[in-house]
Amino acid sequence: DTEVTQTPKHLVMGMTNKKSLKCEQHMGHRAMYWYKQKAKKPPELMFVYSYEKLSINESVPSRFSPECPNSSLLNLHLHALQPEDSALYLCASSQYRGNTEAFFGQGTRLTVV
Amino acid sequence: GQNIDQPTEMTATEGAIVQINCTYQTSGFNGLFWYQQHAGEAPTFLSYNVLDGLEEKGRFSSFLSRSKGYSYLLLKELQMKDSASYLCASNNNNDMRFGAGTRLTVKP
Repeated sequence: DTEVTQTPKHLVMGMTNKKSLKCEQHMGHRAMYWYKQKAKKPPELMFVYSYEKLSINESVPSRFSPECPNSSLLNLHLHALQPEDSALYLCASSQYRGNTEAFFGQGTRLTVV
Repeated sequence: GQNIDQPTEMTATEGAIVQINCTYQTSGFNGLFWYQQHAGEAPTFLSYNVLDGLEEKGRFSSFLSRSKGYSYLLLKELQMKDSASYLCASNNNNDMRFGAGTRLTVKP
């Protein structure tokens, strides 16, 4: 199993809504990542979890709140988003932080209206 | 800080060879990744170079020169399905950060 599963695949939310993105992997990877990708742009690193502890927060606004309940799951809680937050949100995992290939999920395409 | 540069777009002919260059200036550099991303899909891993030199993997090869801050991805025997974006990403301080990507179009 080399899959990273993200749900939902698509999400439309209003600016006052609260929603969560979910990511799951069963490869025993100890590092998990959230990236944000706008159209025709590269993925931008948002958060890094290593051994279920937040290692990196790339100055992401507090309306994005990550959570790592266990070594297989990674959530991204969304609240009071802006239309400019509309993007593809990619989750990735690697065996350890940084030193091996990362496997990406198919992403959640988020539209904020 | 970091600065990763690669050409924005390239075009090549089916069956040909194409080289996509990437230069980087990053602190805490540990290695260089190459990923392929088809439109609307997730990036998929191609290669990871830590040491200087060329690593070959089927039709794809990747080269790294740490002293020059330079890498390239070489694609041989191009196929139409190779039309995609190719992203180089630096491993700096154990976190992967991407360059802007090179959009490759393979023509018949």
